[in-house]
Amino acid sequence: QQQVKQSPQSLIVQKGGISIINCAYENTAFDYFPWYQQFPGKGPALLIAIRPDVSEKKEGRFTISFNKSAKQFSLHIMDSQPGDSATYFCAASIIGSARQLTFGSGTQLTVLP
Amino acid sequence: GAVVSQHPSRVICKSGTSVKIECRSLDFQATTMFWYRQFPKKSLMLMATSNEGSKATYEQGVEKDKFLINHASLTLSTLTVTSAHPEDSSFYICSARDRDRPFYGYTFGSGTRLTVV
Repeated sequence: QQQVKQSPQSLIVQKGGISIINCAYENTAFDYFPWYQQFPGKGPALLIAIRPDVSEKKEGRFTISFNKSAKQFSLHIMDSQPGDSATYFCAASIIGSARQLTFGSGTQLTVLP
Repeated sequence: GAVVSQHPSRVICKSGTSVKIECRSLDFQATTMFWYRQFPKKSLMLMATSNEGSKATYEQGVEKDKFLINHASLTLSTLTVTSAHPEDSSFYICSARDRDRPFYGYTFGSGTRLTVV
């Protein structure tokens, strides 16, 4: 019930291409879906987040698409750059509670120059 | 934006000694902080939830006596790894949530690389 499943485990994209990472959740009580970017040896940094009352949110080259009925959400990175090479984690939580984030397993993205 | 400061970033200690890691919220108050452990190329594993002024809540399988957590103020939580052994070597990360802006999510510290020799 608490799982968030993330795919793919790793992704290689050419510079300028689109990177797409997918996540699926089970707990319908989740109402906050963030994506985190983590570079080696650093803590995760919030990239973008969405709530289930909207189907899409865009910030610069990063877009979250959200499908409430399918219980799925995805991160799209447009015009991918070598500097985007990092590990990306999706997560979910319940805003009204003090509970922790439930993380996906992570996707290691490599953008080739 | 919200900033969480975690220190030290790296520490090497001898087996059998104790190590303290600090996590501070610099510009917000955090009634709840979280401590994670991360193995190479793996996701974050929640160790415990730290609540200001009360005892921490540990996840199943995490030894309370080995990983001591103290959350004495609204801006500081500490994790002490007691009697450290090489298998405790890992990347430890704290996270805090702004109690006044829950939608702005969880801010993470920069992590602490612990190496026990």
